[in-house]
Amino acid sequence: LAKTTQPISMDSYEGQEVNITCSHNNIATNDYITWYQQFPSQGPRFIIQGYKTKVTNEVASLFIPADRKSSTLSLPRVSLSDTAVYYCLVGEESLDSSYKLIFGSGTRLLVRP
Amino acid sequence: KAGVTQTPRYLIKTRGQQVTLSCSPISGHRSVSWYQQTPGQGLQFLFEYFSETQRNKGNFPGRFSGRQFSNSRSEMNVSTLELGDSALYLCASSLAVRLAGDSYEQYFGPGTRLTVT
Repeated sequence: LAKTTQPISMDSYEGQEVNITCSHNNIATNDYITWYQQFPSQGPRFIIQGYKTKVTNEVASLFIPADRKSSTLSLPRVSLSDTAVYYCLVGEESLDSSYKLIFGSGTRLLVRP
Repeated sequence: KAGVTQTPRYLIKTRGQQVTLSCSPISGHRSVSWYQQTPGQGLQFLFEYFSETQRNKGNFPGRFSGRQFSNSRSEMNVSTLELGDSALYLCASSLAVRLAGDSYEQYFGPGTRLTVT
């Protein structure tokens, strides 16, 4: 069974770079790693997705080592509005070829002025 | 275009009752997934529907069921409610069903907050 582990919380200051790591020791061989951001009283919002190495978009970068047993979400120059909970999501393939999507426990990021 | 909508936003039910939650996906999206979010268990996958068929399923008891209609709208039903079913139920839509090796983006609705007393 895939198990995803994230730090419970992180503190940062405006303008700093924040790196949040997720360990997924049993990710399906060909599955993607996705990161979401969630604000209170809202559904999660897609941030970035990747399969291996490095992916970058306008809001974040995602680093995935060769063994794919972990991934690191990098938020450059955070602002107060980046205060939220961040989740990683990976898939686990069952014997019947169906997928179970496993969310990490979430990392609560607090950005201070 | 309009995002994922869920109704109702808030619901209070009594233990033993049943409840039906509704989700309308983004126009053109054919896959709908349901998740349960609680402080203790976090976000847990319930099931995914595509073309009116359940394609993927999480580890929830049979009291949790769902269906999808020809217009891709989906409903989730919980029968014989228990106190532990109190949670935020999230619906997410995507263009296609999740398959091995696929890259796809899910869009989440605001959720339905269910309280069981």
